[in-house]
Amino acid sequence: NAGVTQTPKFQVLKTGQSMTLQCAQDMNHNSMYWYRQDPGMGLRLIYYSASEGTTDKGEVPNGYNVSRLNKREFSLRLESAAPSQTSVYFCASGPRTGPRYEQYFGPGTRLTVT
Amino acid sequence: KQEVTQIPAALSVPEGENLVLNCSFTDSAIYNLQWFRQDPGKGLTSLLLIQSSQREQTSGRLNASLDKSSGRSTLYIAASQPGDSATYLCAGVASGGSYIPTFGRGTSLIVHP
Repeated sequence: NAGVTQTPKFQVLKTGQSMTLQCAQDMNHNSMYWYRQDPGMGLRLIYYSASEGTTDKGEVPNGYNVSRLNKREFSLRLESAAPSQTSVYFCASGPRTGPRYEQYFGPGTRLTVT
Repeated sequence: KQEVTQIPAALSVPEGENLVLNCSFTDSAIYNLQWFRQDPGKGLTSLLLIQSSQREQTSGRLNASLDKSSGRSTLYIAASQPGDSATYLCAGVASGGSYIPTFGRGTSLIVHP
């Protein structure tokens, strides 16, 4: 039982390059989330998927796209990376229905855009 | 919109102290409150989750309480150890909405020998 896995762990991009961050969970959760974490800003929700086949914008969606490939996998794509997207990106998953709306996090991807 | 505040932002204590970390939230219609630990360069690890029908949860030296009427949750760490040094975050899920957690910015704890 691996929980939530993310690839890659580290990435350096040049401005304008594109890349996709991968996330997978093996806990049979319906909901999956993408966050970014920046010093002094806390965790900010980029996109989430409440269930397979649906995606919704979070607090900071600009510059990102997502795909819920199946129930297990939720990817985040940067089409044209900018230095402002330098951050640590976390994927999380959790149940869609209560009573416990808890989240489980992956280890993160540390992205630097130069 | 739910807002979650954690005070203090940083805390340094000597080993062995009992300590309390605070988490305040604005929407008393909270469904559950989850406490996490984050070590430097790592992801978030879930410590405890308290449902709205519960007053507290315990795991080892950790005890988390929830008081919806005052909009507060506390994480009590007994007999602190240097290995407890980490950032502790709380996240509240408000009922009646999308059930997406709102996170506080965390309390950075250092326990020195």
